[in-house]
Amino acid sequence: AQKVTQAQTEISVVEKEDVTLDCVYETRDTTYYLFWYKQPPSGELVFLIRRNSFDEQNEISGRYSWNFQKSTSSFNFTITASQVVDSAVYFCALSEDKGAQKLVFGQGTRLTINP
Amino acid sequence: DVKVTQSSRYLVKRTGEKVFLECVQDMDHENMFWYRQDPGLGLRLIYFSYDVKMKEKGDIPEGYSVSREKKERFSLILESASTNQTSMYLCASSLYRALPNQPQHFGDGTRLSIL
Repeated sequence: AQKVTQAQTEISVVEKEDVTLDCVYETRDTTYYLFWYKQPPSGELVFLIRRNSFDEQNEISGRYSWNFQKSTSSFNFTITASQVVDSAVYFCALSEDKGAQKLVFGQGTRLTINP
Repeated sequence: DVKVTQSSRYLVKRTGEKVFLECVQDMDHENMFWYRQDPGLGLRLIYFSYDVKMKEKGDIPEGYSVSREKKERFSLILESASTNQTSMYLCASSLYRALPNQPQHFGDGTRLSIL
């Protein structure tokens, strides 16, 4: 069975600090997809990034970066120079390579950036 | 931009009532999903549909049913509401069943309270 674990329930940092959100996954599939979503206080989940299991390149988008390591089954998310607007709940999710691509979500990490 | 619209942001119902949660997407997506979100548990899939009149059970279908009579609309039904169904309900859609690696697009959520 597929499983996603976000061990950090809550993180609180001061603005401009760097912060890393951890995500560890389990799957028997050889082809799968990983996602990160952001849920601001308004409630709507916002898609941030997807990564294919066969593409282990790390990705950077502005202050956001993602580190995918198949050897440790991890897909960690780092925010550099955090800002108050980054405060949200962040979810990591895993999708199989068949059917309607159901997502299995982690428990979420509530990130608070303090001014 | 894809727009997923849920009919209510907040809803209060009584135990034993039949409750309907409505979701509409405007981008001709094939796949639609219903999740519930509870603290510490992340999002859990209730039901999904990859075509009109088609439905498949997710991880926690007990106490729920769904209806998809038109491609753009996916309804979640609580046949006889109970207090343990108090939760945030999120609807999502994605493009094609046969195309993997697609992000899901989410609505704003319905916070349902069963008294």
